[in-house]
Amino acid sequence: DQQVKQNSPSLSVQEGRISILNCDYTNSMFDYFLWYKKYPAEGPTFLISISSIKDKNEDGRFTVFLNKSAKHLSLHIVPSQPGDSAVYFCAASASETSNTGKLIFGQGTTLQVKP
Amino acid sequence: GAGVSQTPSNKVTEKGKYVELRCDPISGHTALYWYRQSLGQGPEFLIYFQGTGAADDSGLPNDRFFAVRPEGSVSTLKIQRTERGDSAVYLCASSFSGTRREQFFGPGTRLTVL
Repeated sequence: DQQVKQNSPSLSVQEGRISILNCDYTNSMFDYFLWYKKYPAEGPTFLISISSIKDKNEDGRFTVFLNKSAKHLSLHIVPSQPGDSAVYFCAASASETSNTGKLIFGQGTTLQVKP
Repeated sequence: GAGVSQTPSNKVTEKGKYVELRCDPISGHTALYWYRQSLGQGPEFLIYFQGTGAADDSGLPNDRFFAVRPEGSVSTLKIQRTERGDSAVYLCASSFSGTRREQFFGPGTRLTVL
């Protein structure tokens, strides 16, 4: 039972263009969402998060959009840079388990930004 | 400041052996988590510590897996009678508290069971 899904295993974009990574979830109890970036042989690095009381959060080149009715979130990177090439994971947590901090991750999307 | 550190970075063992994986969280972080990541998948939750106690061990796959955090800082994940299916990257993460949901990950330990 995959509660968090990233249906695109890979994405390739040109440097300077926008990258859009998508994530869907099934558990309506999820109320906090995070994006992580992972380079090979390194641990995931926290990028940006959003609470379910918001529909948008922006941090520099990174913006996360949340559509609760569709149970969908997306990460926009603009402009994309070659250094953004990595695996991106979407993660979610629920209030009922927030005191445990358990994160549920998607399978990841590999982003390649071409110079 | 130093991030989360994990040792060893790689561990190769034989089926049936016992292994210990160590995690040193960010100083001051009271919450510590272990995850396991298999190839092509996202990290899967194993266990969560708040201070010294395991507040949630619902992700441990079976009783061959055990983790401790005796002094509320360093944690050790212990796997008995290893099986080939235990081969994965074991990730440790910490956060300021269990209510702060941003978790900061270490580089992981790649475990290979032959």
